[in-house]
Amino acid sequence: EVQLVESGGGLVKPGGSLRLSCAASGFTFSSYSMSWVRQAPGKGLEWVSSITTNGAYIYYADSVKGRFTISRDNAKNSLFLQMNSLRAEDTAVYYCASLPLDRYFDFWGQGTLVTVSS
Amino acid sequence: QSALTQPASVSGSPGQSITISCIGTSSDVGGYNYVSWYQQLPDKAPRLMIYDVSNRPSGVSSRFSGSRSGNTASLTISGLQAEDEADYYCSSYTSRSTQVFGGGTKLTVL
Repeated sequence: EVQLVESGGGLVKPGGSLRLSCAASGFTFSSYSMSWVRQAPGKGLEWVSSITTNGAYIYYADSVKGRFTISRDNAKNSLFLQMNSLRAEDTAVYYCASLPLDRYFDFWGQGTLVTVSS
Repeated sequence: QSALTQPASVSGSPGQSITISCIGTSSDVGGYNYVSWYQQLPDKAPRLMIYDVSNRPSGVSSRFSGSRSGNTASLTISGLQAEDEADYYCSSYTSRSTQVFGGGTKLTVL
């Protein structure tokens, strides 16, 4: 059974940092591109960032470029999102999702809530 | 990156069919066969319903179908059931090698 389990969310002050993790199991993690998708309270889905299988190609939404860094550790079946210079508008549930061949998000984690507030 | 355009809400009675549109551009929806659709129940993670414009993953009911004409993709749900009431999102690969979602459509089963 495929499982994606996010962790690392919480309350942080504006300007602060947070590192999200996503532990993957049940599939060959190293063969999949991976992505982070977020959803602000009561709002729609927003793609945040994607990383290819070996990390050679990385993409970011304009709204987070220069502040967020995606990475992965294939040996540990883990995906990460380092979030710096956080703003109130970054408040959202952050989902980890697999992205086979960059075509669609086939498996999703349960999400982790990030709240940016003073 | 502009979001794809979806109607905010649609509704239908049990047994009827509904269609949700997703309008993009030639740089996303119209340029690649990589349009997908997701169902999101309240307080749940999204679930993949359609991928590559018109393909259904294993386990998704055949009542769900996808299509595309030009820069507009569509999700059709036939034989509407109460359990179909949810938010639906379209997504597409883009010419910048990024992904873009639609704003979401709330489906109400009357």
